[in-house]
Amino acid sequence: SQQGEEDPQALSIQEGENATMNCSYKTSINNLQWYRQNSGRGLVHLILIRSNEREKHSGRLRVTLDTSKKSSSLLITASRAADTASYFCATDVAGNQFYFGTGTSLTVIP
Amino acid sequence: DSGVTQTPKHLITATGQRVTLRCSPRSGDLSVYWYQQSLDQGLQFLIQYYNGEERAKGNILERFSAQQFPDLHSELNLSSLELGDSALYFCASSKGGVTVSEQYFGPGTRLTVT
Repeated sequence: SQQGEEDPQALSIQEGENATMNCSYKTSINNLQWYRQNSGRGLVHLILIRSNEREKHSGRLRVTLDTSKKSSSLLITASRAADTASYFCATDVAGNQFYFGTGTSLTVIP
Repeated sequence: DSGVTQTPKHLITATGQRVTLRCSPRSGDLSVYWYQQSLDQGLQFLIQYYNGEERAKGNILERFSAQQFPDLHSELNLSSLELGDSALYFCASSKGGVTVSEQYFGPGTRLTVT
């Protein structure tokens, strides 16, 4: 499968702590995106990082990409209860064809 | 609100039946994607249309088909339904084209096959 694998599968932290989740994938990619999904709802785009970029920031989010290791990480700083959700990485392999990972379920405890 | 609408919200039907799911993309978006999300398979890319034409195909079964109409709305047809087809079906849209851009997801249609 070309799907990415997120690690850990589940993460529980206290409000104010940082949360880090990782994504590994199998084939060369054009770009990688991170999405958030609240329970049973549609996914919301968080950030896109292209294959020639190594790091990107957006607010409290920091994404890194290591194409040599075929991995990416998403860091959420100063977490809030509202960050509780599942987080997915999506890889664009063949142009406009996206493969989503298995997701990390994040719980932020107030 | 992403601007992508999907109908119906819920659908309960019996095995062997056929259903049609409908998606209206965000204004100005030319690409429509369909995904299936189930507990055991995760989020699976099914198919993508761009400006009325099929652009990419993922793990879509032969019993499933889709199309995008001139007004850019899209329909996903599921036939000869099986219990295993029970899932959340999401539609997403993007500007599409050569440059890859973010996708905007609809709220989904929850299909239950009994």
